[in-house]
Amino acid sequence: DAGVIQSPRHEVTEMGQEVTLRCKPISGHDYLFWYRQTMMRGLELLIYFNNNVPIDDSGMPEDRFSAKMPNASFSTLKIQPSEPRDSAVYFCASSLYRGGAADTQYFGPGTRLTVL
Amino acid sequence: QKEVEQNSGPLSVPEGAIASLNCTYSDRVSQSFFWYRQYSGKSPELIMSIYSNGDKEDGRFTAQLNKASQYVSLLIRDSQPSDSATYLCAVNIGGGADGLTFGKGTHLIIQP
Repeated sequence: DAGVIQSPRHEVTEMGQEVTLRCKPISGHDYLFWYRQTMMRGLELLIYFNNNVPIDDSGMPEDRFSAKMPNASFSTLKIQPSEPRDSAVYFCASSLYRGGAADTQYFGPGTRLTVL
Repeated sequence: QKEVEQNSGPLSVPEGAIASLNCTYSDRVSQSFFWYRQYSGKSPELIMSIYSNGDKEDGRFTAQLNKASQYVSLLIRDSQPSDSATYLCAVNIGGGADGLTFGKGTHLIIQP
């Protein structure tokens, strides 16, 4: 089975440019999460979706960040305009909720974003 | 404010010994606890999950949870060089499928 797929794997852009990160969750999973990882702050939850609906976006740092999930197979995280402090590794993860305790989140390979 | 605290390390352990990794969390209503392993340049992968007080064993790994002390630990027996990685402690508050709050991780080095 294919795991979580993210693209691009690496992105280098200049400050002020728009950046779009893409994620395809594991087929059949109903939850999708976007995380950001930096040395200073570690791994932080940005936003998550359930059945394509955003549930909690309280981790989104500011209005420059937006995320969408138009269907069960695809999600995007957009940064516009990008700033050097957005440089980080962005992970997408998905899970299947079976009720009760929290289920395993499976992480994609990540997108390493560098904003110059 | 949800917080998960870990010693950043590095924690150096001789091959074959027991590695002990610790984590504390601030939110008393936390219900689910996870240990992820992350190799350099790779994504996190789940090692253990634990939901009830006590010990849970899986092969060379044992997770221990003490909700009264708000403490969770991971023991790795017979440590191998391939266990060298960063270990992330993660907490789920709601018990459902909410996002996880991660600690910053402990860098473990197994010395051959």
